Amino acid sequence: TQLLEQSPQFLSIQEGENLTVYCNSSSVFSSLQWYRQEPGEGPVLLVTVVTGGEVKKLKRLTFQFGDARKDSSLHITAAQPGDTGLYLCAGSTSYGKLTFGQGTILTVHP
Amino acid sequence: DAGVTQSPTHLIKTRGQQVTLRCSPKSGHDTVSWYQQALGQGPQFIFQYYEEEERQRGNFPDRFSGHQFPNYSSELNVNALLLGDSALYLCASSSGTATREKLFFGSGTQLSVL
Repeated sequence: TQLLEQSPQFLSIQEGENLTVYCNSSSVFSSLQWYRQEPGEGPVLLVTVVTGGEVKKLKRLTFQFGDARKDSSLHITAAQPGDTGLYLCAGSTSYGKLTFGQGTILTVHP
Repeated sequence: DAGVTQSPTHLIKTRGQQVTLRCSPKSGHDTVSWYQQALGQGPQFIFQYYEEEERQRGNFPDRFSGHQFPNYSSELNVNALLLGDSALYLCASSSGTATREKLFFGSGTQLSVL
């Protein structure tokens, strides 16, 4: 059974602070995705990382895939209240089947 | 262009009952996957349908079954409901058979079992 461990589980910060969310596994994934989910909605894809060591930037969000393709991180610079939500990492090994981490609930206070 | 639509949005059942949840994929998508998301947890893969057949299955009992229709829409059926089946049920659609296909999720059906 493939597992993805996300940390921290909860994160409460002030507007303008930086933060990093980690996603770790003992298994190798062909790709890793990060999603953001708001209450009452389904997850929305933020980014997909495929190559070991890959770094992708999406405005204030930076995503990194570990060299061995077993871990990933999400770094947010100068967090804003609009960044509040549940952040999920998910690993893919075969046709559309995703293994999700348990999620990180981020709250950014004004 | 409608995205993934799910119905109903909320449902309340009692233990032992049966429930059917419905999903219409995003236009142009032919693959539907179902996920169960318990409160405070990440989604867990139930199964995936492609060409009207179950292509993959997660670690869920046979009480969970599904179907895909020729128009690519799908149903998730759960028999003999247990309290632990209370969760948000998410449908995700995708196109093609690429191993890194992008999934689009619906807003889910919130099932409460009393």
